Amino acid sequence: SQQGEEDPQALSIQEGENATMNCSYKTSINNLQWYRQNSGRGLVHLILIRSNEREKHSGRLRVTLDTSKKSSSLLITASRAADTASYFCATVTYNNNDMRFGAGTRLTVKP
Amino acid sequence: DAGITQSPRYKITETGRQVTLMCHQTWSHSYMFWYRQDLGHGLRLIYYSAAADITDKGEVPDGYVVSRSKTENFPLTLESATRSQTSVYFCASSESPGGLETQYFGPGTRLLVL
Repeated sequence: SQQGEEDPQALSIQEGENATMNCSYKTSINNLQWYRQNSGRGLVHLILIRSNEREKHSGRLRVTLDTSKKSSSLLITASRAADTASYFCATVTYNNNDMRFGAGTRLTVKP
Repeated sequence: DAGITQSPRYKITETGRQVTLMCHQTWSHSYMFWYRQDLGHGLRLIYYSAAADITDKGEVPDGYVVSRSKTENFPLTLESATRSQTSVYFCASSESPGGLETQYFGPGTRLLVL
């Protein structure tokens, strides 16, 4: 069963704008990861944030984690057309080491 | 070249036929995984392996068989394909179990069962 659920399901913005995607989950986690998938390709890891961390940055990406609300957000700043992809959150619980993926957010960045 | 590869990239088969999807990684990662991706479901874990000759079921193992005689290979077999197994299949590898660290994904195999 899905653990993480992304919101919104689809997002369309103009190049240069910021994009925010949210992920909510149901049970306590060990860590939460964000992946990107370009059309027809495999998933590429973006950021892993552990349960004792609140924020992480990687280039134009900023991930926050609020364990009290069981939610995470991925912010992409100054978006580019190349950021067009699907973005997935994946959660890992303490008792099961396997990752559970959400259904993803489809981001379209218009040039 | 280095990385994780899958073959074939596309496969069309008929109901009842046996199909084997191949996965090969060059990093010598201990852990390997098979996922299927269906619209609206994200990725779901089929099977995983912690090392050669050690495999275990994931969330949706029914109808699938795996083996791992060598660390670098992790084939997935559909013993008698059904239409519900039409999907995109991704193989992944990692240095750590489950999601404790980054998983590295192959490009996927698109399987159509007629």
